[in-house]
Amino acid sequence: GAGVSQSPSNKVTEKGKDVELRCDPISGHTALYWYRQRLGQGLEFLIYFQGNSAPDKSGLPSDRFSAERTGESVSTLTIQRTQQEDSAVYLCASRPGPRVSTEAFFGQGTRLTVV
Amino acid sequence: GNSVTQMEGPVTLSEEAFLTINCTYTATGYPSLFWYVQYPGEGLQLLLKATKADDKGSNKGFEATYRKETTSFHLEKGSVQVSDSAVYFCALSERSGAGSYQLTFGKGTKLSVIP
Repeated sequence: GAGVSQSPSNKVTEKGKDVELRCDPISGHTALYWYRQRLGQGLEFLIYFQGNSAPDKSGLPSDRFSAERTGESVSTLTIQRTQQEDSAVYLCASRPGPRVSTEAFFGQGTRLTVV
Repeated sequence: GNSVTQMEGPVTLSEEAFLTINCTYTATGYPSLFWYVQYPGEGLQLLLKATKADDKGSNKGFEATYRKETTSFHLEKGSVQVSDSAVYFCALSERSGAGSYQLTFGKGTKLSVIP
């Protein structure tokens, strides 16, 4: 596709359930980021993938959060045993490569509501 | 670590007023600086960027100058329009010591322009 695609666009889940969020980056983009945006707040960095290098997981808030990416393609963010404080919009972004000057392209996000 | 501080919102201006949104940053090296914009109901998109000291980024009548001496990247527009109503995010990108190309965002400033 032409842009970053995220699915689902909305997810309502019960507290304690696991959820999986998907991100399809722009083809050829080697860098991929996940962010969390709570209502009215800024973007909170979660994890960064660059090609086949070990991911930067320094932003994951707890061991309930994990993410995978196969090569330079799709990424999934998994939240286990969801809590109400996990309710937020989860944003994915991709960049062409490991350079500080390149633009990041964002998906529309997945709005997660934990009830 | 890296950080971005931008002025708290919300900011409400009348159409044709002058806009300044302050942004300062902390970084260890030579980051690239960005302003992203999130229009209502849309995803984040790049507004402008600057990749080295004294560079000026500009787009859609907005400007920001990379000031290394004051570690600032303030966003300005001479005459705002109702269509500029959005949330504006200042961001920086730098290569960490561990080789991660981090992209760090400020908390965002909501701008409302009234006719």
